[in-house]
Amino acid sequence: DGGITQSPKYLFRKEGQNVTLSCEQNLNHDAMYWYRQDPGQGLRLIYYSQIVNDFQKGDIAEGYSVSREKKESFPLTVTSAQKNPTAFYLCASSLGTGGDTEAFFGQGTRLTVV
Amino acid sequence: AQKVTQAQTEISVVEKEDVTLDCVYETRDTTYYLFWYKQPPSGELVFLIRRNSFDEQNEISGRYSWNFQKSTSSFNFTITASQVVDSAVYFCALYSGGGADGLTFGKGTHLIIQP
Repeated sequence: DGGITQSPKYLFRKEGQNVTLSCEQNLNHDAMYWYRQDPGQGLRLIYYSQIVNDFQKGDIAEGYSVSREKKESFPLTVTSAQKNPTAFYLCASSLGTGGDTEAFFGQGTRLTVV
Repeated sequence: AQKVTQAQTEISVVEKEDVTLDCVYETRDTTYYLFWYKQPPSGELVFLIRRNSFDEQNEISGRYSWNFQKSTSSFNFTITASQVVDSAVYFCALYSGGGADGLTFGKGTHLIIQP
């Protein structure tokens, strides 16, 4: 089945550790996105990528890093510089950027700092 | 700057009632797109509808309908004859060229349908 796969579903991080969240899509989409969701809040854009080997900061990029070496993959690293990383992280992809195509979302990764 | 406001944090209705979820948006762009997504307890967002700024026609899809009014900058979502399976968090979102290439989301409305 075509879709977006995020792993792991749950992730625990110790203070000072970097962790990487995986996002893979087999929809042949050019654009991919990472959003952060906090309780009672909407989604906020962390990073997005319009094409392989290119990515742009979103509204809350500090403390995060990404790579886009393959069209199918857009991993997100939460670094120790992110002071409040506990949140629900959602990856999405779309055929192109702009609003004329809808984004499809993965099932999310819930990250908790212990 | 762009912004989406969903003033209703939580709505609770009894099954079979009709319910309307409000969405008000702000953007300076003349070309923009509005979306509704559903987030069930499983967590992933499910796309419901996309509407561009030049198309003010209302849309109906089964029990769902959307009312887009540019004069009031609103894009409201109505569920007719609600069912328990409609229980979820619903997000309204905006895309316009003035922002980063991603969606601006409202904070969501938690809809609870009681049997």
